[in-house]
Amino acid sequence: DAKTTQPPSMDCAEGRAANLPCNHSTISGNEYVYWYRQIHSQGPQYIIHGLKNNETNEMASLIITEDRKSSTLILPHATLRDTAVYYCIVRVAQRSDYGQNFVFGPGTRLSVLP
Amino acid sequence: KAGVTQTPRYLIKTRGQQVTLSCSPISGHRSVSWYQQTPGQGLQFLFEYFSETQRNKGNFPGRFSGRQFSNSRSEMNVSTLELGDSALYLCASSQDVVEQYFGPGTRLTVT
Repeated sequence: DAKTTQPPSMDCAEGRAANLPCNHSTISGNEYVYWYRQIHSQGPQYIIHGLKNNETNEMASLIITEDRKSSTLILPHATLRDTAVYYCIVRVAQRSDYGQNFVFGPGTRLSVLP
Repeated sequence: KAGVTQTPRYLIKTRGQQVTLSCSPISGHRSVSWYQQTPGQGLQFLFEYFSETQRNKGNFPGRFSGRQFSNSRSEMNVSTLELGDSALYLCASSQDVVEQYFGPGTRLTVT
């Protein structure tokens, strides 16, 4: 079972920031938070991941609370092309991590509106 | 660098037949995972291969099998197809199991 809970859907106005929340209250100390998104009928696309510090890349920012029980993915200036299902996943991410897999929940369907 | 490629992209089979799907990972990636995606069950993990060895397997019947070759290319096979096997089958490759990169998927329709 997925270790995360996300709202099933969200709307965001084009050009505004999209803030997607994720709860992972049972996260372990060695588990990372990953975000993927899936645009209709395509393969999931990696967005970002982090352990406890906030992370930023060219696509998004990841804000993880100090107790690590929740996080927020921020798309700073959402466009229509950001309409997708966003998945928040927690998993171990170490080189010695043998045989692990990503457990996807239902995710959040983000609709960016013009 | 080329991404993950999957062939064929679309496939129609009839019940009882078998099917083989192919996945070519990103060059240098040794881990290949397979997922099944259906509207009802979402994305579900099938199995993962690393250096030709299956390291992990999801909760699917034995009709679903896979293998990985020495060049890291992978195939999955589904025997005795059922209507419920209609799905998007996704392959993902990884270099060090930190990030997974997904292919476009093979859409299988069983009639």
